[in-house]
Amino acid sequence: EVVLTQSPGTLSLSPGERATLSCRASQSVSSSYLAWYQQKPGQAPRLLIYGASRRATGIPDRFSGSGSGTDFILTISRLQPEDFAVYYCQQFGSSWTFGQGTKLEI
Amino acid sequence: VQLVESGGGLIQPGGSLRLSCAASGFTVGSKYMTWVRQAPGKGLDWVSIIYNSGRTDYTDSVRGRFTISRDNSNNTLYLQMNSLRVEDTALYYCARGPVAAHFDLWGQGTLVTVSS
Repeated sequence: EVVLTQSPGTLSLSPGERATLSCRASQSVSSSYLAWYQQKPGQAPRLLIYGASRRATGIPDRFSGSGSGTDFILTISRLQPEDFAVYYCQQFGSSWTFGQGTKLEI
Repeated sequence: VQLVESGGGLIQPGGSLRLSCAASGFTVGSKYMTWVRQAPGKGLDWVSIIYNSGRTDYTDSVRGRFTISRDNSNNTLYLQMNSLRVEDTALYYCARGPVAAHFDLWGQGTLVTVSS
């Protein structure tokens, strides 16, 4: 099973700043099979990025994804108040696994 | 287009529960459909999948105890959970997909609490 490790566990930033979230896999992951989700308190996860770098429908262009192999990055270029949430990466190899999440807080 | 889960509740260890996920705006039988759970304060864990062919798969910890199924006439996905354990306590989400490898639509979840 592929283990995804996200860092940092908590990221404290201010609106307008740039956020960089990391997701490291225990073995190589196909870029086609790496996704990012946003989850706000009391809400279901929302798909942000799939295929490592493709924005899902309706996702603002301040969200971008990059990376390959074992190292993937989610970047939020200019934080808006509504962006403060928990972010999960997810992959498919032999099964589907999620990272433990990064909490983005003000 | 939405998914609405129901059927959660408080159940004693060893008990059974059936979760439902009603879909609208698309046909569950034409898509891969998945259950994902989230223990209180924890991350997301994949539980089970049903392919559009009807083939199913499960994470090891629930295999033999949980059964995923669907009713195309009601456009509803199910998760029958038997021999429930305290560690099955979680918010259970149904999700559409995977599409390639990601899940593009999620329900709001239904809470299952296993406790004596």
